[in-house]
Amino acid sequence: ETGVTQTPRHLVMGMTNKKSLKCEQHLGHNAMYWYKQSAKKPLELMFVYSLEERVENNSVPSRFSPECPNSSHLFLHLHTLQPEDSALYLCASSQERGPSGNQPQHFGDGTRLSIL
Amino acid sequence: QKEVEQNSGPLSVPEGAIASLNCTYSDRGSQSFFWYRQYSGKSPELIMFIYSNGDKEDGRFTAQLNKASQYVSLLIRDSQPSDSATYLCAVVDSNYQLIWGAGTKLIIKP
Repeated sequence: ETGVTQTPRHLVMGMTNKKSLKCEQHLGHNAMYWYKQSAKKPLELMFVYSLEERVENNSVPSRFSPECPNSSHLFLHLHTLQPEDSALYLCASSQERGPSGNQPQHFGDGTRLSIL
Repeated sequence: QKEVEQNSGPLSVPEGAIASLNCTYSDRGSQSFFWYRQYSGKSPELIMFIYSNGDKEDGRFTAQLNKASQYVSLLIRDSQPSDSATYLCAVVDSNYQLIWGAGTKLIIKP
């Protein structure tokens, strides 16, 4: 496999469920990102990891919990989500973390999350 | 709050014509500028980046940057139906943060 792979592609869950999103990158990159994409809104950066260390957390509610066990894998653990959390969740990676953004980011195809 | 603005569209362009997509940004100290293309149901993919004032050409795509006027544009020559997608503008601001626009939906009509 090549690139950035996200699973599952679609997820429907109730507000009391616990689930996890998975991201894996096969590019040898050192930085990984979680984004939220809602319709007609800019991408919202949620978390940034560089060499498995969390370097950025953009005021994301605690019901979202990231985990980065190694530089190739990134998880987003979900618990007690709200209907407004329904969105496309995108994982991305880049060669290095900073200066941020100067490195092109490569995206996975995302997980379409629906909260009932 | 630092912003990147794009017209949401849809922008409708006849096949073979030039599609012109525009993006303005609020932080005058912004440094790097990216254009991503996102097909429906797919992930954003990088198609162009530009750092310096002026034009940068890559095949049918030309990125234009005007830092004095704080805008960056993307021109697509000889537009094809396969160019129909949402185009996202992203800007690295003076704090080295990557700020995204909401995207412009482009429709190329055969």
